[in-house]
Amino acid sequence: GAVVSQHPSRVICKSGTSVKIECRSLDFQATTMFWYRQFPKQSLMLMATSNEGSKATYEQGVEKDKFLINHASLTLSTLTVTSAHPEDSSFYICSATGTSGGETQYFGPGTRLLVL
Amino acid sequence: SQQGEEDPQALSIQEGENATMNCSYKTSINNLQWYRQNSGRGLVHLILIRSNEREKHSGRLRVTLDTSKKSSSLLITASRAADTASYFCATNGNNRLAFGKGNQVVVIP
Repeated sequence: GAVVSQHPSRVICKSGTSVKIECRSLDFQATTMFWYRQFPKQSLMLMATSNEGSKATYEQGVEKDKFLINHASLTLSTLTVTSAHPEDSSFYICSATGTSGGETQYFGPGTRLLVL
Repeated sequence: SQQGEEDPQALSIQEGENATMNCSYKTSINNLQWYRQNSGRGLVHLILIRSNEREKHSGRLRVTLDTSKKSSSLLITASRAADTASYFCATNGNNRLAFGKGNQVVVIP
């Protein structure tokens, strides 16, 4: 149980375009989802916390207009990288916690974004 | 926010040996968690230790927590080639995780 999926797993896009990444909890309802960014050989950096039905809370330094997060249902959150630039190229990982408010976060497999 | 920080090690060990990695943090925590990440993949939750616990075991994993020193260690006993991965600690202070830099462990068959 507690499986989180992400789609797509890999995406290449041109500079200036927008890219949407989906994060789904497959076998549980996720009241809270988290979006992280990871550069090569580095740690995960929390970008934002998303609660179902409310606006996401962004970490300091993360542009909310650049990284649009929607958490419309208890099983789906989306991250849209708007007007992508090469410096947005990174590994984006989502995680989710269940409705019981558990302490463990279940992570998706990640999405590798390459902006040309 | 809390910041878990591992000693920036890259461990290379022979299969069957034990692997130990450390993590330190700066602020108070509710719990500390260890995760494994295979190259280019998501994270797999390994073990959680609460702030009132000192030691915890799960299979071949042993985690210690010293809140007075704000440090934790992860021991993998009898390592296997499949244990090759990066290992991250993450501190949880308010249901948000702060990850350390990670330890790259290579187990040589």
